[in-house]
Amino acid sequence: SQQGEEDPQALSIQEGENATMNCSYKTSINNLQWYRQNSGRGLVHLILIRSNEREKHSGRLRVTLDTSKKSSSLLITASRAADTASYFCASSASTMGDMRFGAGTRLTVKP
Amino acid sequence: DAEITQSPRHKITETGRQVTLACHQTWNHNNMFWYRQDLGHGLRLIHYSYGVHDTNKGEVSDGYSVSRSNTEDLPLTLESAASSQTSVYFCASSAGTRLSGNTIYFGEGSWLTVV
Repeated sequence: SQQGEEDPQALSIQEGENATMNCSYKTSINNLQWYRQNSGRGLVHLILIRSNEREKHSGRLRVTLDTSKKSSSLLITASRAADTASYFCASSASTMGDMRFGAGTRLTVKP
Repeated sequence: DAEITQSPRHKITETGRQVTLACHQTWNHNNMFWYRQDLGHGLRLIHYSYGVHDTNKGEVSDGYSVSRSNTEDLPLTLESAASSQTSVYFCASSAGTRLSGNTIYFGEGSWLTVV
């Protein structure tokens, strides 16, 4: 079964607005990662947060992790039309990369 | 630049045939993975390998096999293709060790249709 569940399944916003996507997972993790997938393409790594971290930033991305609630959120600030894609969280109980993915959030940013 | 390539990118095959999807990475990563992606399920782990001659079953391994004879390649074989195996298959690799986590890098996917 899937390890993670993203919420919402789909999100539509205007350019310039912030987008927040949430992810929940079921078991203890070593790290959690967020990936982006453009239609018909492979997944691209965005950011990794370890279980002992609570927040990380990368450019316009901000990820939080709450291990007590087994949840994470991805915030994209000042969204652009080029941010339109599906976003997946993935978690692993190990450091080796055998990740478990959620079903993803489909983000549409309207120009 | 280092990369991970999959072939074929698109394939149509008949039920019952054996199919092999190739995956080749030039990062010299020890860890390699095969996922399938279906609508409503996200990505599900099929098999993975932590090094040469090491293979492990993932969440949905039935009907699939892998072998790791060198660092660069992890071919995925569908022993007797079934319509339920129609999917997009992604190969991935990572340099993660037991002491240090790392990101994984994905290929562009192989679209397989079983008719």
